[in-house]
Formats: sequence, structure tokens, C-alpha cells
Amino acid sequence: NAGVMQNPRHLVRRRGQEARLRCSPMKGHSHVYWYRQLPEEGLKFMVYLQKENIIDESGMPKERFSAEFPKEGPSILRIQQVVRGDSAAYFCASSPRAGGTEAFFGQGTRLTVV
Amino acid sequence: AQTVTQSQPEMSVQEAETVTLSCTYDTSESDYYLFWYKQPPSRQMILVIRQEAYKQQNATENRFSVNFQKAAKSFSLKISDSQLGDAAMYFCAYRSAGSGNTGKLIFGQGTTLQVKP
Repeated sequence: NAGVMQNPRHLVRRRGQEARLRCSPMKGHSHVYWYRQLPEEGLKFMVYLQKENIIDESGMPKERFSAEFPKEGPSILRIQQVVRGDSAAYFCASSPRAGGTEAFFGQGTRLTVV
Repeated sequence: AQTVTQSQPEMSVQEAETVTLSCTYDTSESDYYLFWYKQPPSRQMILVIRQEAYKQQNATENRFSVNFQKAAKSFSLKISDSQLGDAAMYFCAYRSAGSGNTGKLIFGQGTTLQVKP
């Protein structure tokens, strides 16, 4: 059973470009969480999605950031018009059910904005 | 809102010795979970140990154990017989367990553990 897969592992974007980060949850998991880790900091919750629904986006910046988890395919975190401050590691975690006691993490995508 | 605080940015321990990492949290909830995650240089987040708040008994996983003090809102991690592979960043995390909770985790700032040979 493959773990949570995130790609790409590393992504470099110029200021103003768009970044698309992908997360394929573990098989059978329909709940996905996105977290952001700024340098030398802990992970901060961004958004929680179930298939085709955003459940909690309280940690997501109001502008430029969006997330989706379609019926088919991976969850996508999209950052438009990236700025230097968006440089961070972005982690995805999946869970088989809402409020499951354990979330399984991917290896993260390190986004660098130049 | 819940918060998690790790007041030790860095710790070091001699191989085979014991080290304790501190974590305090703030919440008004009575039902919750606490976790310790390990993040090695590979960045993979690895669950080390989990504690349910309703359980008085401290959780243990091989060389890893916790000291859970609910009244003091303290949740420390003890690593016994430290090994070189234990070197990593360690994060304390909180998760609500009440009805309607979404399962999101609230993390502390992390403690970098160095293990000296």
C-alpha cells in the first residue's frame, strides 16, 4: 500500500508565476489536509478537504491560494502569482475518515520562489 | 483557540543516554489527542507516539514514552537509550477529539535533537 505521494518534491518558480502542488492520498483515504512549514517553524494547517468538498479552509490565505480534491485524481494546492514569502515546504496528509486518530503525511513539496 | 508551545529550540544528548523534550499546550477542551512527530532531514513526518487525553496512563512505544500531565497541560517526550538515528526535529501536536472536529493538527515550533556519538 503506497503512502501519501506528493509531487513534485522540489518546485522552483519565479515571482508572479503559478505553483501547482499535487497530493495523492493513501488508497482508501478520502480526507486530505494541507499544511505549510516556513523555514525554522512548525507546520501550520491550511485546508481540509474531502472528495469534491472543502470542509475547513480557515488556515488558507484569502488571496492567491486555492485547493481542490476532485472526484478523480489527486488533491491540488494552487498558488497564483507567487511571491518570495510563499517559499516553504508544503505537506499533505490523508486520513481514512473524518477525525481519524492518525493522519499519514507525504514527504512534502519544497517550493522556492526566486 | 488551541496553542502548542515547545520552549526548547535545540537539545543534545549523548548516544545511549536519555533525553526529555518539553511541550505545553493550551486548550479549553476536555477531549483531545496529543502527538509527537519526528521529522528527519528527509522531511518525512513520522508519528512517534500518541496520547488520548481521557487516558491517565502514559503512552509508551519502545524507547519512547511520554509524561502527560493533563492538569498542567504538559506533554513531554522521553527518549531512552538514544541512538544516532533519533537525530531529527521533533514536533508536538494537538488535535481536538470532540464531535464535529475536523482532525486538523496544531503543531508546536519544534525541537531539534542532536545525538552525539
